[in-house]
Amino acid sequence: DIQMTQSPSSLSASVGDRVTITCRASQSISRYLNWYQQEPGKAPKLLIYAASTLHSGVPSRFRGSGSGTDFTLTISSLQPEDFATYSCQQTYNTAFTFGQGTKLEIK
Amino acid sequence: QVTLKESGPVLVKPTETLTLTCTVSGFSLSHARMGVSWIRQPPGKALEWLAHIFSIDEKSYSTSLQNRLTISQDTSKSQAVLTMTNMDPVDTATYYCARINVVVVGPTYYYYMDVWGKGTTVTVSS
Repeated sequence: DIQMTQSPSSLSASVGDRVTITCRASQSISRYLNWYQQEPGKAPKLLIYAASTLHSGVPSRFRGSGSGTDFTLTISSLQPEDFATYSCQQTYNTAFTFGQGTKLEIK
Repeated sequence: QVTLKESGPVLVKPTETLTLTCTVSGFSLSHARMGVSWIRQPPGKALEWLAHIFSIDEKSYSTSLQNRLTISQDTSKSQAVLTMTNMDPVDTATYYCARINVVVVGPTYYYYMDVWGKGTTVTVSS
């Protein structure tokens, strides 16, 4: 299976900050990379698919980039509702593995 | 409006078989290149993809759990069903189903999970 490794595992930031979360694949996955946001006690929500395409209704402060093995999720100006856990997922092969998640907390 | 809803037992005993049902509405399980995936999340831990099934009856399983998992669908009932055998306390988790959607760019199919159920919590304990 393709292993997905996110960094950092947790991150403290303030409202208005710009933050970047990294996701690395154990082999090249082209642009078959999705990002999800999960609030405590709730189901994940799709943010970005195909590495950089914003899902419908997702604010433009979210940006995804990368290809091959290295990907980033950037939030340009943190809002209170952005404090959550973010997970990447590859769909390059038929086993759609997730990263371990990055918890974004309020500083 | 597309919705998915998981149902199944809240509590199972070790060694028992778990059967979970995902009932979908707002889209058809017969839709070409749409599918349903099962994902779980142990308390305080990461999401773990388990299996998926597509309308063309293409199935895929987690390598680490494939010997214990079976996924199927009943398009007439709009349901996808996951069974997991030989349950253990480490299988205690919230189990989600999600719709797999696709965007086609030239020859490339990009899959993603765009609608999720709320999840069902399963505890494994004697």
